[in-house]
Amino acid sequence: DAKTTQPTSMDCAEGRAANLPCNHSTISGNEYVYWYRQIHSQGPQYIIHGLKNNETNEMASLIITEDRKSSTLILPHATLRDTAVYYCIVLIREYASNTGKLIFGQGTTLQVKP
Amino acid sequence: NAGVTQTPKFRVLKTGQSMTLLCAQDMNHEYMYWYRQDPGMGLRLIHYSVGEGTTAKGEVPDGYNVSRLKKQNFLLGLESAAPSQTSVYFCASSYSKRNTEAFFGQGTRLTVV
Repeated sequence: DAKTTQPTSMDCAEGRAANLPCNHSTISGNEYVYWYRQIHSQGPQYIIHGLKNNETNEMASLIITEDRKSSTLILPHATLRDTAVYYCIVLIREYASNTGKLIFGQGTTLQVKP
Repeated sequence: NAGVTQTPKFRVLKTGQSMTLLCAQDMNHEYMYWYRQDPGMGLRLIHYSVGEGTTAKGEVPDGYNVSRLKKQNFLLGLESAAPSQTSVYFCASSYSKRNTEAFFGQGTRLTVV
């Protein structure tokens, strides 16, 4: 199973871009990188996912290195409401059951400060 | 459209008691999951289901049983609760085979004394 490594915590000034790194050096060619976040013990919320191309949606951008061994989630203009634990996850595919299981690590606690 | 609903939201059990947590989704999703989250830690997968009538073990299945008799419901059972099962339990569901976007419930806070 491909594992991810994230910093335990990060700070970001309100209005600035928040760049959250993730290492996944053992990722396989058909595994996707997903990002979720969890705000104050609520249920996790999907943010974005990608395979090898950079992706952008209304919430964030995902930059994946060419060798796919690391990625960065970018929140372009962080607000206080973005304070949360951010999880970088590599999708593990179970071929027998034909589905993927989301396996969470420890995540990065992002503190957005005024 | 309620999404994923968990029942109950809070519960206190005595050691040895049994209970069932209910997860209901109204999005016609095929895939459903049960996770537990202990203080200061990430989520750990307990059991999951890829469709009605099917279940599979996750990372930490011991002490739990599940059933998926109806597509919209996924039940998590504790036959004999232990203090080590004190945790917050989250249910999730997804449509895509690649679990593109999983929707989570708001959690059930369970305390076993």
